[in-house]
Amino acid sequence: NAGVTQTPKFRVLKTGQSMTLLCAQDMNHEYMYWYRQDPGMGLRLIHYSVGEGTTAKGEVPDGYNVSRLKKQNFLLGLESAAPSQTSVYFCASSSGRDAVTGELFFGEGSRLTVL
Amino acid sequence: GDSVTQMEGPVTLSEEAFLTINCTYTATGYPSLFWYVQYPGEGLQLLLKATKADDKGSNKGFEATYRKETTSFHLEKGSVQVSDSVVYFCALLRGAGSYQLTFGKGTKLSVIP
Repeated sequence: NAGVTQTPKFRVLKTGQSMTLLCAQDMNHEYMYWYRQDPGMGLRLIHYSVGEGTTAKGEVPDGYNVSRLKKQNFLLGLESAAPSQTSVYFCASSSGRDAVTGELFFGEGSRLTVL
Repeated sequence: GDSVTQMEGPVTLSEEAFLTINCTYTATGYPSLFWYVQYPGEGLQLLLKATKADDKGSNKGFEATYRKETTSFHLEKGSVQVSDSVVYFCALLRGAGSYQLTFGKGTKLSVIP
């Protein structure tokens, strides 16, 4: 059972470079989320989507863009990477019912370093 | 806005000791409350939850009671094991129509044999 899969798992970028993180889920979930995790900060929501073709800003959206062209995929883009975006990024998904009850299913994370 | 405050770690306990990890919250309305765990190199997994005041969530020997009067949701376990050495996150979900979990900063637990 794949669940939520994130690619790549590790990436090193130089300041100013761009990249895209891909999240894929095979559970037919409506809701998908991108979080970043930083030491001493917990998880903070970047963007989320409540269905195919829709996206919304979370707590820390600046410097990121997202797209949900297909229900199973949620892409997180960095147009011009900055050292402050060095973090571990987690994708999560949930069904409509699970979103209300708060159970999210997480990927294993993508560790991004911006030099 | 909504916020979750949990005790800072790391917390170090001997095997079979009693565990308490404090969690308090600030939110409007009547949020649902959660404890998630994170194993090394993995994403978070739901441990337990409570959706209304005085509810007790429980799973794998862990318990937490939703106390509205003290806005708290402390995690407890009577006898910890080495395998409980992970990071614990308290989180809340505001009421109907909200899809965004708000997480605390996490508490790392280390259990020594």
